[in-house]
Amino acid sequence: NAGVTQTPKFQVLKTGQSMTLQCAQDMNHEYMSWYRQDPGMGLRLIHYSVGAGITDQGEVPNGYNVSRSTTEDFPLRLLSAAPSQTSVYFCASRGIGEQFFGPGTRLTVL
Amino acid sequence: AQSVSQHNHHVILSEAASLELGCNYSYGGTVNLFWYVQYPGQHLQLLLKYFSEDPLVKGIKGFEAEFIKSKFSFNLRKPSVQWSDTAEYFCAVKPHGSGNTGKLIFGQGTTLQVKP
Repeated sequence: NAGVTQTPKFQVLKTGQSMTLQCAQDMNHEYMSWYRQDPGMGLRLIHYSVGAGITDQGEVPNGYNVSRSTTEDFPLRLLSAAPSQTSVYFCASRGIGEQFFGPGTRLTVL
Repeated sequence: AQSVSQHNHHVILSEAASLELGCNYSYGGTVNLFWYVQYPGQHLQLLLKYFSEDPLVKGIKGFEAEFIKSKFSFNLRKPSVQWSDTAEYFCAVKPHGSGNTGKLIFGQGTTLQVKP
């Protein structure tokens, strides 16, 4: 199993650009989520999904969209990037008793 | 609102020193509790978890944590740290009950620096 994979690993955007962060898992987990990690603030939940076709907002959803058309994939879209979205983004999927994290995407918005 | 507080933001220890990192949460109901570790440049990995069994939980690499329900605490301990324990440590809580949908709530993180 590859576990949770994320692409790209690094990305630089200009303000106003849009992009999609990809996340995939091969563990057949229903629950997937996106977090952003900022210094001194821990991980904050952006969006999550409890299964294909079902998504909901987390703690900091503004400026981000998600969709869940399949169990495996959970992409995160930045509609119009802003410098405040400079962060490290982690995708996670949850099995029984444990949440597995992807390697992260480091995003810089200039 | 539900929250998790880690009191120590940055801890510096010498090798072989004992470690205790504090974690408190605010939620009156049933919870699952976790400690995650993030080594430099890597993603989060599970150290240990509490799921309503013995309140003293043993994890990987000699770490353990004790759930004290009356104090809403889940402190992480290790009797003797190594240089390789240098990392960032996150406490997380999964509240049970309607409306929580299994979300994990993370603390701010504690950076541990172990000097050789």
